[in-house]
Amino acid sequence: DQQVKQNSPSLSVQEGRISILNCDYTNSMFDYFLWYKKYPAEGPTFLISISSIKDKNEDGRFTVFLNKSAKHLSLHIVPSQPGDSAVYFCAARAMEYGNKLVFGAGTILRVKS
Amino acid sequence: DAGITQSPRYKITETGRQVTLMCHQTWSHSYMFWYRQDLGHGLRLIYYSAAADITDKGEVPDGYVVSRSKTENFPLTLESATRSQTSVYFCASSRSRQETQYFGPGTRLLVL
Repeated sequence: DQQVKQNSPSLSVQEGRISILNCDYTNSMFDYFLWYKKYPAEGPTFLISISSIKDKNEDGRFTVFLNKSAKHLSLHIVPSQPGDSAVYFCAARAMEYGNKLVFGAGTILRVKS
Repeated sequence: DAGITQSPRYKITETGRQVTLMCHQTWSHSYMFWYRQDLGHGLRLIYYSAAADITDKGEVPDGYVVSRSKTENFPLTLESATRSQTSVYFCASSRSRQETQYFGPGTRLLVL
């Protein structure tokens, strides 16, 4: 039973346009959410996070939105650049489970120039 | 600043052999983690450690053994490798329970 789901295996976007990556979760105990970015042959790198007490967090071109009632979060990249082409993992954790992250299966983003 | 390193980067072994994957971090982070990445599953936690000599199971611990005698090292051992353990293995560390996890470059393991 996957607690964190990324239902789109891949996404293709034109350079300069908005990329929207989606993530759904089932465990209402999750209180912190993260997005990691992964290039081939490298480890995941932290991108942006959001606490469950917020509904939006922004860092430059990257914005994460959290809808707790729908148990849904999304990552917006504006404007998208070819260097953003990577696999994006959504992850969640619950305070009472310590710092153990639960990851989604990932979404491959391709930004076309 | 080496950060977090893993060795070997690539390993081919045979079913039934023992394999040890190494993880070393230079940040003196308290927490260290081992994940495996498989298509369709994302990253799944195998084992984690809160400090030297303190380890605990994650989501998929069967067939794996860990130890942590020094803060900076967290080796993962496959005692008798099976084909289902073919995967990419990532080590990660974080300064505290609440802080961001930083990942190593990964070890690609093929079990024949």
